[in-house]
Amino acid sequence: GAVVSQHPSRVICKSGTSVKIECRSLDFQATTMFWYRQFPKKSLMLMATSNEGSKATYEQGVEKDKFLINHASLTLSTLTVTSAHPEDSSFYICSALRALRIEGEQFFGPGTRLTVL
Amino acid sequence: SQQGEEDPQALSIQEGENATMNCSYKTSINNLQWYRQNSGRGLVHLILIRSNEREKHSGRLRVTLDTSKKSSSLLITASRAADTASYFCATVASGANSKLTFGKGITLSVRP
Repeated sequence: GAVVSQHPSRVICKSGTSVKIECRSLDFQATTMFWYRQFPKKSLMLMATSNEGSKATYEQGVEKDKFLINHASLTLSTLTVTSAHPEDSSFYICSALRALRIEGEQFFGPGTRLTVL
Repeated sequence: SQQGEEDPQALSIQEGENATMNCSYKTSINNLQWYRQNSGRGLVHLILIRSNEREKHSGRLRVTLDTSKKSSSLLITASRAADTASYFCATVASGANSKLTFGKGITLSVRP
């Protein structure tokens, strides 16, 4: 199967600090990864699309300077929440598309729960 | 913005019964997918149905798609307590290059 990992699974930080979340495709190459945010008992909201070797494409309303995305290799994308505030507390989930697959299913990581104090 | 809208929002059934969940969407799609999420976890892909398909089966799952009504249904037969989870439909709009738009989700509880 296609496995996607996220690290860390849970992080608590102080307001004003930056937090980096890693998303890795463990057994396949992913030219495209997606970052979602999910509030309790709510649906997933797409934040940005991350393409290997190029700048991420952010959805409307998502601050690119606050949520920095880097997709440096075919198996790793990172999301950095800069100067985190309590309202950034959420469940962040990444997903990955296999290389050369256009319409196929996305493989999701287990999520990272961020709590900003 | 959210595209898929599922109903009901919550469903509680007895083990062994069938569970039917519906999803409606607004725009033209390339495909529609159903995902499952256990509490506090990531999503697991269940099934994908393309816009030119009307029905698809996978084990105890049956998905239908009616593009004229812009709706889909997910049927889980002979439900088990382990099926308890949230279920989401998600669409890939035509020309959207794999970007998924999720519905609000349905919480399914299967009582043992």
